[in-house]
Amino acid sequence: QLQLKESGPGLVKPSGTLSLFCTVFAGSISNNNFYWGWIRQTPGKGLEWIGTFHYSGITYYNPSLKTRVTISADTSNNQLSLRMTSVTATDTAVYYCARLKRLDDPFDIWGQGTMVTVSS
Amino acid sequence: DIQMTQSPSTLSASVGDRVTISCRASQSISHWLAWYQQKPGKAPKLLISKASSLESGVPSRFSGSGSGTEFTLSISSLQPDDVATYYCQQYNSYLYTFGQGTKLEIK
Repeated sequence: QLQLKESGPGLVKPSGTLSLFCTVFAGSISNNNFYWGWIRQTPGKGLEWIGTFHYSGITYYNPSLKTRVTISADTSNNQLSLRMTSVTATDTAVYYCARLKRLDDPFDIWGQGTMVTVSS
Repeated sequence: DIQMTQSPSTLSASVGDRVTISCRASQSISHWLAWYQQKPGKAPKLLISKASSLESGVPSRFSGSGSGTEFTLSISSLQPDDVATYYCQQYNSYLYTFGQGTKLEIK
């Protein structure tokens, strides 16, 4: 059964860069049959889709975050990565990675999530 | 963006009750709607896709209905294990959006 696990620093300074990783277990990030996404959750805004990635290079980003976000894959470590620049306190959230079978599918498998706090 | 609005925000019901949660889309999304269940400290779990298709392993007391802009998640007989927050999500466009959640409690 495919599993996902997020990792990365729990604390990031304001104006800094947030870098998170999602390791894929019992599956491959380069499997062209699936898409991968990042979603975050805050008490104030609830669940917010960040972006979607396909190994072919297709990426879609939330327009509200597009200028600050990059999603990519590291096949050597079988990981999906998220990079978010110029972070502020409003980026404090639990960050999840998740899988989609197709773009017109919901997120069927989620990681456990990782909490990121933006603070000096 | 397509806005998703859930009601109510909080729902308190007794074990055995039939429970209904509503989700409204700001424009038609056909049947491209999912429902998730989230328990404290856990990731959301997919319950229903395409508005009414129950995911494998999800108890049959859960059901979904609707199309266009109006959708409903129902639990036919509320169980203690159903205490959670429920979210709808549209995937009509790749700019996915979620409802704000409905917290379900036991009276």
